[in-house]
Amino acid sequence: DGGITQSPKYLFRKEGQNVTLSCEQNLNHDAMYWYRQDPGQGLRLIYYSQIVNDFQKGDIAEGYSVSREKKESFPLTVTSAQKNPTAFYLCASSSPTGASSYNSPLHFGNGTRLTVT
Amino acid sequence: ILNVEQSPQSLHVQEGDSTNFTCSFPSSNFYALHWYRWETAKSPEALFVMTLNGDEKKKGRISATLNTKEGYSYLYIKGSQPEDSATYLCASRYGNKLVFGAGTILRVKS
Repeated sequence: DGGITQSPKYLFRKEGQNVTLSCEQNLNHDAMYWYRQDPGQGLRLIYYSQIVNDFQKGDIAEGYSVSREKKESFPLTVTSAQKNPTAFYLCASSSPTGASSYNSPLHFGNGTRLTVT
Repeated sequence: ILNVEQSPQSLHVQEGDSTNFTCSFPSSNFYALHWYRWETAKSPEALFVMTLNGDEKKKGRISATLNTKEGYSYLYIKGSQPEDSATYLCASRYGNKLVFGAGTILRVKS
């Protein structure tokens, strides 16, 4: 079955350490997204990528970095510069891109809950 | 920053009740309105994507309407069942970005 796989499901890190969250999709989608969820708030966009080797900052990109070296993979690194990294992180994908993407729903992974102490 | 509002924040209904939620969004530069259902321990699942003013979509007992001129969408659930219990998210697309509301949590008691 096609889908999006996020790993791990739970991640614990010490403050000051960088950590990378994995997101892999086999839906052949061009666009991929990272969202963050905090209690009582909507999903907030961190980064998105519409094509391999290209990505754009979302609304809350500070303290995060991404890469898109392969179509299937869009890993998110939470750096030590992120002031409040404890949150639930969701990866999503959609296809096609451009104007046609407006009608395309997002397909989500199951998320990674990151706790930094 | 674009703001998408959902109300109510949470809702408790009895099995068999019909219910509805509201999503409000800025109407300028609007492209599309999405509704998702997010069940506990699962990933959010798309219900509807609507683009045109006056759009109405239906999926089983769930339906949605869209008013792009005044910037709101309603989601209706007819005859709620316990399996409808979930968080319902709406999101409005502006260019390449999808801006989400905080969601409405629905709990259906049997």
